[in-house]
Amino acid sequence: GEDVEQSLFLSVREGDSSVINCTYTDSSSTYLYWYKQEPGAGLQLLTYIFSNMDMKQDQRLTVLLNKKDKHLSLRIADTQTGDSAIYFCAEGGSQGNLIFGKGTKLSVKP
Amino acid sequence: DGGITQSPKYLFRKEGQNVTLSCEQNLNHDAMYWYRQDPGQGLRLIYYSQIVNDFQKGDIAEGYSVSREKKESFPLTVTSAQKNPTAFYLCASSIRGRGTGELFFGEGSRLTVL
Repeated sequence: GEDVEQSLFLSVREGDSSVINCTYTDSSSTYLYWYKQEPGAGLQLLTYIFSNMDMKQDQRLTVLLNKKDKHLSLRIADTQTGDSAIYFCAEGGSQGNLIFGKGTKLSVKP
Repeated sequence: DGGITQSPKYLFRKEGQNVTLSCEQNLNHDAMYWYRQDPGQGLRLIYYSQIVNDFQKGDIAEGYSVSREKKESFPLTVTSAQKNPTAFYLCASSIRGRGTGELFFGEGSRLTVL
């Protein structure tokens, strides 16, 4: 069945790079997504990658996709305290919904 | 501005009471979704609707009900049959069949059962 796995916690120092990893199961998903959730708020789309791409860069964000291993990663360069949040990886579901991982809580220490 | 509005943001309920969470969107999206979020559990799909007057159960529909009488509105009722209703509830919408398939989320409703 469809499933998305990601580690639950990541702690980095301000200015360092953060790398959040994710594995997924449904190779037919056309797009893969990264969402960000601030405390007590809804989810906001950070970026997405088309399944036939290997990499996408958007300012401080770099998404890498390894389709063979079904592995997706999100790199945040020059991580700031404002980047502290929960980051969700998601793949497309069979009913137009998205299947989300459990979320990685990123803590940025000054 | 276009978006999704959930209300109320916080809700307290006594055991045995039904409660309805509101979700309204003005994005002209066909599809709408309800997710439940628990700490460490991620998001789990409760119900979804791809078109007016039609909706389908998600992975954890027991103890919940929905309606989709208008395109803009997709209210969720948490019934007394839901054994552990305390959670953060998120409503989302999407363009059906076009675009990148991304979901747009509301700000969530936190339900606490006393």
